[in-house]
Amino acid sequence: SQQGEEDPQALSIQEGENATMNCSYKTSINNLQWYRQNSGRGLVHLILIRSNEREKHSGRLRVTLDTSKKSSSLLITASRAADTASYFCARGNNNDMRFGAGTRLTVKP
Amino acid sequence: EAQVTQNPRYLITVTGKKLTVTCSQNMNHEYMSWYRQDPGLGLRQIYYSMNVEVTDKGDVPEGYKVSRKEKRNFPLILESPSPNQTSLYFCATRPTSGRSTGELFFGEGSRLTVL
Repeated sequence: SQQGEEDPQALSIQEGENATMNCSYKTSINNLQWYRQNSGRGLVHLILIRSNEREKHSGRLRVTLDTSKKSSSLLITASRAADTASYFCARGNNNDMRFGAGTRLTVKP
Repeated sequence: EAQVTQNPRYLITVTGKKLTVTCSQNMNHEYMSWYRQDPGLGLRQIYYSMNVEVTDKGDVPEGYKVSRKEKRNFPLILESPSPNQTSLYFCATRPTSGRSTGELFFGEGSRLTVL
């Protein structure tokens, strides 16, 4: 079963706007990660947040984690057309990592 | 350059014809894993391996086999492919020792079509 569920399934915004994607999960986690996938390509790691962290930044990315609600959000600020991709959250534990179905982000120039 | 290399990248085959998708990594990572990606279902784990000669089932292992005889290679074997195994397959690796950040490194994918 999937261990991370992204919401919304698809998001379309204008260049310069912020994009927010959410992820919910069901079981306890050691960390939660966000990945990006350009169409048909391999996934690329964006950012990892540990279960004892609440917020993390990396460039234009901001990730929050609420373990009481079992949810995380990824915010991309000042989006660019090149941010168009699918974004996945993944719950990690010692043995494996489970992915959700992803959010398809389209940034219109 | 750190790489996870999958072959073939594209393959069209017929039902029942055995095939192997290879995965090779040059990062000396202990952990390797196979995923399949299908529209609306995200990535689902097929098998994973924590180290040489250690493999475990993921969420969707039926119809697949793996082996881990060497640290760098983790082939995915379809003994008798069926059309429902038409999918995009990804190999991924990461270290499991103290240097691990948990980040997975993915190959570029292998698109398999079974007719």
